[in-house]
Amino acid sequence: AQTVTQSQPEMSVQEAETVTLSCTYDTSENNYYLFWYKQPPSRQMILVIRQEAYKQQNATENRFSVNFQKAAKSFSLKISDSQLGDTAMYFCAYRSVFGNEKLTFGTGTRLTIIP
Amino acid sequence: NAGVTQTPKFRVLKTGQSMTLLCAQDMNHEYMYWYRQDPGMGLRLIHYSVGEGTTAKGEVPDGYNVSRLKKQNFLLGLESAAPSQTSVYFCASATGDVGLGSPLHFGNGTRLTVT
Repeated sequence: AQTVTQSQPEMSVQEAETVTLSCTYDTSENNYYLFWYKQPPSRQMILVIRQEAYKQQNATENRFSVNFQKAAKSFSLKISDSQLGDTAMYFCAYRSVFGNEKLTFGTGTRLTIIP
Repeated sequence: NAGVTQTPKFRVLKTGQSMTLLCAQDMNHEYMYWYRQDPGMGLRLIHYSVGEGTTAKGEVPDGYNVSRLKKQNFLLGLESAAPSQTSVYFCASATGDVGLGSPLHFGNGTRLTVT
């Protein structure tokens, strides 16, 4: 079974700074998808970014980018020019391309942006 | 543009009572999921469905039942609520196209308290 580990329960950073959230995972599969979801205080789960394992190029969405290291099974999220609206829980998730397509989540990192 | 709708948003139950959480999606998605979110544990899969009339157990299925009689609806039932089932419950849906690695779309959650 796949597992996803987020080793940073909480982080805080000053507004406009850059912050990196770490995520590691364990799998025996060669092809899969990785996701970062954001959960603001509103409780809604919002997709931030997605990475396909067979693509070496790191995914980027505006201020959000990932550092995907397949051999190391690492998938970190970098937020540049952080904004107050980035304050949220961030979850890393793994999804196989086989079977039932369920997402396996990490335990989350609570990020606080300090004004 | 409803997406995934969960009802109710909040509920308080006494131990031993029963209830049903309703999830409805209007995106014609094949796959539907029920997760629970607890502090420090991320989201854990309770049950899921890969199509109308099918259901399967996830990581933490004990004490819950589900039904998918219509493609757009996925019901989660608690037959005899216990305090350990106090949690936030999320429904999600996804297309059946594995190759696209489509993300899960989440509802806004139901906060359930069992006293």
